[in-house]
This record gives sequence, C-alpha cells and structure tokens, in this order.
Amino acid sequence: QSVLTQPPSVSGAPGQRVTISCTGSSSNIGAGYDVNWYQQLPGTAPKVLIYGNTNRPSGVPDRFSGSMSGASASLAISGLQAEDEADYFCQSYDSTLRVVFGGGTKVTVL
Amino acid sequence: QVQLQESGPGLVKPSETLSLSCAVSGDSISSKNWWSWVRQAPGKGLEWIGEVFNSGKTYYNPSLKSRVTISVDKSKNQFSLNLSSVTAADTAVYYCARYKSADTFDYWGKGALVIVSS
Repeated sequence: QSVLTQPPSVSGAPGQRVTISCTGSSSNIGAGYDVNWYQQLPGTAPKVLIYGNTNRPSGVPDRFSGSMSGASASLAISGLQAEDEADYFCQSYDSTLRVVFGGGTKVTVL
Repeated sequence: QVQLQESGPGLVKPSETLSLSCAVSGDSISSKNWWSWVRQAPGKGLEWIGEVFNSGKTYYNPSLKSRVTISVDKSKNQFSLNLSSVTAADTAVYYCARYKSADTFDYWGKGALVIVSS
C-alpha cells in the first residue's frame, strides 16, 4: 500500500491525451511539498520527467505536463505516442516518512 | 555528466547481510546533494530505502530502519548500503540515485538485481 495513490493503469490511442492522478495527504502533497514524476521504460531505471510540480528537465518533450490541485497532482501526456508506453511514478516529500512514492501507473498505447 | 554504478553480490542467503556500493562520477560525494537507495521488487513499485549526506547524516525508511545502514566513502567517491537479516521479500532491483537538494532523484544508476535465496 503506497502512501501516494495512483491508478494502476491508463490507456489511450496514439494522438490522444491521457492523465495520471497522484493523491496524497496533509503530510505530503496537501502540505504543499513538491511532486516529481518519473518515467520507467521496460527494463530500465526511472528517469525524472517532471520536477517541482510543473518543470520539465532539458530533453523532455512538452507533451508531458504536470499540475497540482490541493492534495493531488496530475501528469498529462498529450499527443500520446507508442514510445510513451511505460510505468509512471509520482514522488513527494512527507513530513513523517521523508520520501514517498506512488504505486505506479502503467500507460498502454492502444 | 553524472553517472552512478551499483556493484555487489547478486545472490544473498536468507538471514545474511546484503551489501551494495554505488560509485559516483561527474559529481563529488561531498557536494550539497543527498545520496539515496531505492529498490523495486519484481513487478512492484519503487520503495525508498534511505539516504546519506556527505557528513554521514542519514535518513531511513521507518519500515527498514532496524536493518539498514547507509554510509559514504569520500576517498572513493562512493556510498554503500547494508541490509541485514534479509529474507526473500528483500529480493529486488536496487538502485542508487542522487537526491538533488533533497528534492528530486535526478540521476539514477542502472540498478542491481539482488536475489535472496539459499
């Protein structure tokens, strides 16, 4: 049971827009701590996709965007592509546990 | 370019101690970053194990705290993980990562699979 809650899976056709939610609590996201998103392609290490809620590292396409609302965060992928098929994890600071991750969401491109 | 590389035994017997090292290049272990271990059991999500600063200060996941030790070796520019009294539940890919400014895991190693089995 992860501290941050994500849907196990989402899917979409190429070109569509999908969103992944990440719900926390008053000790992490709800307390105003930043959320980061990581993409994990099959058989590889995670890679930071979004940091500080909405920022993209150099090289990350602008099809990926992050947003916040209360104790939740969301990752949106616009113009879904086959190469976006991967697992996505949210992560935040927690005042009790220090570092917490979401359980991960598998994105499938139909 | 910052690079991290895990090393250590891929097979550990139950009740023994799992030991891994992470060699860092492209950054100094004495920089203002924290150095972390994260693991991923087969088919599961990411689990934070703990982190260390160059001063030796550490934070650990409360669920693992009684069995975990993370330390730095400035002379080798590396940091290490010891996890004692392992069981099959500790079988996982272990990643080392740079926890930049205690905020974002911005660089990761490729991961080391450790199997706990007799």
